Amino acid sequence: DAGITQSPRHKVTETGTPVTLRCHQTENHRYMYWYRQDPGHGLRLIHYSYGVKDTDKGEVSDGYSVSRSKTEDFLLTLESATSSQTSVYFCAISEGGPYNEQFFGPGTRLTVL
Amino acid sequence: TQLLEQSPQFLSIQEGENLTVYCNSSSVFSSLQWYRQEPGEGPVLLVTVVTGGEVKKLKRLTFQFGDARKDSSLHITAAQPGDTGLYLCAARGYGQNFVFGPGTRLSVLP
Repeated sequence: DAGITQSPRHKVTETGTPVTLRCHQTENHRYMYWYRQDPGHGLRLIHYSYGVKDTDKGEVSDGYSVSRSKTEDFLLTLESATSSQTSVYFCAISEGGPYNEQFFGPGTRLTVL
Repeated sequence: TQLLEQSPQFLSIQEGENLTVYCNSSSVFSSLQWYRQEPGEGPVLLVTVVTGGEVKKLKRLTFQFGDARKDSSLHITAAQPGDTGLYLCAARGYGQNFVFGPGTRLSVLP
């Protein structure tokens, strides 16, 4: 299995509080991604990174920010959490290329009350 | 935004039966991936198809990419309870990013 960890694995927070989720990889892969998964929607891309300090927005980026100061860490921040951000968040890594196989972390279940 | 549709949304079958699930779009893709996800875990890549008309086999699973590269199917022969899970297709347009379909939730009963 690819070395990807996510922390925390579960979090309950209140509306309006800031939340940071961490993704850590030991594979030295170039690309890192944050997705959210909600019933009926599959996985939707929030933000992705194509190198240290190089990030870009995905399909559902409003209300989220990211940072990547080291190859191995990709942080997702909810500046002021809302109930609509209750979801399961997955981090993924890949090396790019024509096949761009993505390897996913175990997920973080976030509940915003 | 490219959209992917998957059908059926839910499928419950008996062990030993065959099944096919579909992934469709109106857009052309450069490649398509199939993942399986079990409860409480992240998706796991099963296969990537890149050529129109391509067929790949992985044991009892057969994957096909449509000639026009707009659709794909996954066929499982003699399904087993271990095949139970959420099957997701993900299509790549231009660049490195994929768009995921909503998934087909398969339940194989012993």
